[in-house]
Amino acid sequence: AQKVTQAQTEISVVEKEDVTLDCVYETRDTTYYLFWYKQPPSGELVFLIRRNSFDEQNEISGRYSWNFQKSTSSFNFTITASQVVDSAVYFCALSEGGGGNKLTFGTGTQLKVEL
Amino acid sequence: DGGITQSPKYLFRKEGQNVTLSCEQNLNHDAMYWYRQDPGQGLRLIYYSQIVNDFQKGDIAEGYSVSREKKESFPLTVTSAQKNPTAFYLCASSFITGTPTGELFFGEGSRLTVL
Repeated sequence: AQKVTQAQTEISVVEKEDVTLDCVYETRDTTYYLFWYKQPPSGELVFLIRRNSFDEQNEISGRYSWNFQKSTSSFNFTITASQVVDSAVYFCALSEGGGGNKLTFGTGTQLKVEL
Repeated sequence: DGGITQSPKYLFRKEGQNVTLSCEQNLNHDAMYWYRQDPGQGLRLIYYSQIVNDFQKGDIAEGYSVSREKKESFPLTVTSAQKNPTAFYLCASSFITGTPTGELFFGEGSRLTVL
């Protein structure tokens, strides 16, 4: 069975600090997909990134970067120079190769960025 | 604007009553999903549908029912058999492709409280 663990329940930082959100996953499949979603206070989840298990290249998008390491089954998310607008709950999720778009979500990390 | 509309946003129900949550999408997506979100537990899949008139149980389907009579609509009924229905319910939709894209589009959710 697949599982996603986000051990950090809540993180508080001061604006402009860098912050890393951890995600550890478990799966028996060799083909799988990893995702990050953001849930602002309004409630809807917003898709941030998708990674497949064959692509271990790190990715950077503006202030966001993702570090995928199969050796440690981790897919961590870093926000550089955090801003108040980054305050949200962030979810890591996993989909196995034959699972269509059914995602298994972690429990989420509440990020609070303060002035 | 294209998107997913969930209604009502807030709903109160007495114990023993069934209640139906509405989900409509105008994105022409094939698949639709219902997730339940509880504090500290992340999102859990209730039901999903990949085509009209067909749907499958997710991880926590007991006490819930759905229908998919139209591509645009996927209502969820929370029945009196659901032991702990107070939660935040999220509807999502996506295209279906050969490989999972994982880009689910979410509504803003419906918060159900049982009195």
